[in-house]
Amino acid sequence: AQSVTQLGSHVSVSEGALVLLRCNYSSSVPPYLFWYVQYPNQGLQLLLKYTTGATLVKGINGFEAEFKKSETSFHLTKPSAHMSDAAEYFCAVSLPSSGSARQLTFGSGTQLTVLP
Amino acid sequence: NAGVTQTPKFQVLKTGQSMTLQCAQDMNHEYMSWYRQDPGMGLRLIHYSVGAGITDQGEVPNGYNVSRSTTEDFPLRLLSAAPSQTSVYFCASSSKRGGYNEQFFGPGTRLTVL
Repeated sequence: AQSVTQLGSHVSVSEGALVLLRCNYSSSVPPYLFWYVQYPNQGLQLLLKYTTGATLVKGINGFEAEFKKSETSFHLTKPSAHMSDAAEYFCAVSLPSSGSARQLTFGSGTQLTVLP
Repeated sequence: NAGVTQTPKFQVLKTGQSMTLQCAQDMNHEYMSWYRQDPGMGLRLIHYSVGAGITDQGEVPNGYNVSRSTTEDFPLRLLSAAPSQTSVYFCASSSKRGGYNEQFFGPGTRLTVL
């Protein structure tokens, strides 16, 4: 079975500073990896995903993440934080073999606060 | 397209009451899922469906029933509500066409069981 660990349930950065949200996964086979964002009182929105190919993936709103198989990591970064980035971020994993089920296993989430 | 819609947005139940959370999607997606979100635990899969007439259990299915009579709708039933079912519930859908596609989430239903 796969699992996801997000280090740091709360992260605070200053506006304009680097955003780094950490995600490590456990999986017996190379997984599909995702980052979702949840704004207050809203559903989840996909930021970016890695399935195959290039290990550095770019998403919406200037975010990117790099799949590092040797470190079993998929950390989310953004060079310069904006006030509008304040939200909760979830890392998720799915196994290619889950095929038709498309089941996602989520991490516990990281609340990002952006300070003025 | 409305995407994934959920009703109601908020609900308060008493212990032992039953209710149905509604979920509908207008994207002709084959896959639909129900998750619950609890503080510090992320989202956990309750039940899912790979098409009309086909459902299966996820990680936390106890106390919940589902059915999928049409492609568009995937209701979640609480048979006898318990305080432990106080949570935010999200429905999601995705398509099987064209390889792995993202899951689209509804806005959620916030349920409180007293």
